[in-house]
Amino acid sequence: QSALTQPASVSGSPGQSITISCTGTSSDVGGYKYVSWYQQHPGKAPKLMIYDVSNRPSGVSNRFSGSKSGNTASLTISGLQAEDEADYYCSSYTSSSTQVFGTGTKVTVL
Amino acid sequence: EVQLVQSGAEVKKPGESLKISCKASGYSFTSYWIGWVRQMPGKGLEWMGIIYPGDSDTRYSPSFRGQVTISADKSISTAYLQWSSLKASDTALYYCARRYSSGSYDIWGQGTLVTVSS
Repeated sequence: QSALTQPASVSGSPGQSITISCTGTSSDVGGYKYVSWYQQHPGKAPKLMIYDVSNRPSGVSNRFSGSKSGNTASLTISGLQAEDEADYYCSSYTSSSTQVFGTGTKVTVL
Repeated sequence: EVQLVQSGAEVKKPGESLKISCKASGYSFTSYWIGWVRQMPGKGLEWMGIIYPGDSDTRYSPSFRGQVTISADKSISTAYLQWSSLKASDTALYYCARRYSSGSYDIWGQGTLVTVSS
């Protein structure tokens, strides 16, 4: 069960928009609507940012949005802010009734 | 308040056994799956497995099946992750998390650091 593929790093200036991709297969990302995204600041536990491809939990800024096309899911952060600098992980339910995480993306705010 | 509180950091020698815990509060423990996630030093998140405390149904990642055991005691709203014989490569931060929908985890414990060294 291979990890989902994410870019190692993405950067942007304050106020800009960035998009993080998450590529899997038809057995995970492409086969289910159960893709989620997590933000992790150094030394902290992950925080759920997006669930079921495009839904935001209560309290998460609407600057965060998710989508999916085929075997690739995406997280877009609009109006980038300094506090958005963190590691981001995607995750998907799989055909084996298990879960798989992405390789992780470090977001840098320039 | 809904929360998961994990047991404290552990330092063990190779070959020793270990059981770490994750105590739930603020919600019906038997109604949500609890998952375990490994994060090795400086590395990403790895999904290890999951248990449904209501009936102890358990699923494992192929990478961790046979290496760890996940269990739960619903009488005290606590999930466990255990090793029978630790290796140095088990050194990592381990998180428990509540599964919200089929593909997401909304509540996370603070993590338990396990260090295995001779």
